[in-house]
Amino acid sequence: AQSVTQPDIHITVSEGASLELRCNYSYGATPYLFWYVQSPGQGLQLLLKYFSGDTLVQGIKGFEAEFKRSQSSFNLRKPSVHWSDAAEYFCAVGASDDYKLSFGAGTTVTVRA
Amino acid sequence: DTGVSQDPRHKITKRGQNVTFRCDPISEHNRLYWYRQTLGQGPEFLTYFQNEAQLEKSRLLSDRFSAERPKGSFSTLEIQRTEQGDSAMYLCASSLNEEREWETQYFGPGTRLLVL
Repeated sequence: AQSVTQPDIHITVSEGASLELRCNYSYGATPYLFWYVQSPGQGLQLLLKYFSGDTLVQGIKGFEAEFKRSQSSFNLRKPSVHWSDAAEYFCAVGASDDYKLSFGAGTTVTVRA
Repeated sequence: DTGVSQDPRHKITKRGQNVTFRCDPISEHNRLYWYRQTLGQGPEFLTYFQNEAQLEKSRLLSDRFSAERPKGSFSTLEIQRTEQGDSAMYLCASSLNEEREWETQYFGPGTRLLVL
């Protein structure tokens, strides 16, 4: 079965600084990878996804992520964060023979002025 | 265009009571999923439907839980004899099954359940 690890529980970043959130997955074949964002008390919004092809994917709100098969990673980045980026971020993996998503425990991002 | 909607958004109930949640997926989506999210954790899969057929249930879905999707449209999740451990956010997601591509799941706002 597939699984996801998000090593950082909480990250604090200054507004305007860059942000990188780590995601490591475990799955024997080619995974389907997602990043979702969740604001307090809200559902999950899709930021970006990787199915195949170019390993650097662009998403909404200025986010991008890079799939590195050799490192089993799919890290999320943003060059310059805004106060509105404060939220919880979840990495998720799907398998080719399974329709459910497996989520990491999430990383909470705090943005300081 | 409306996304996935869920009702109610919040529910407070006493232990032992039954509760029912509703999910309305994006209109053309044929797959519907239920997840549960407890505080500080990521969502965990509960069950999913393709059209009206319930195709998989997680071990997390005890006998007190039942889900339906009559006519392949909206879905309901019922919890009987609620326990304090059932307190969580219940998330619904939908997707369109297309042969050539693994589909993207779109989530609703969730129903937050508190069992007293």
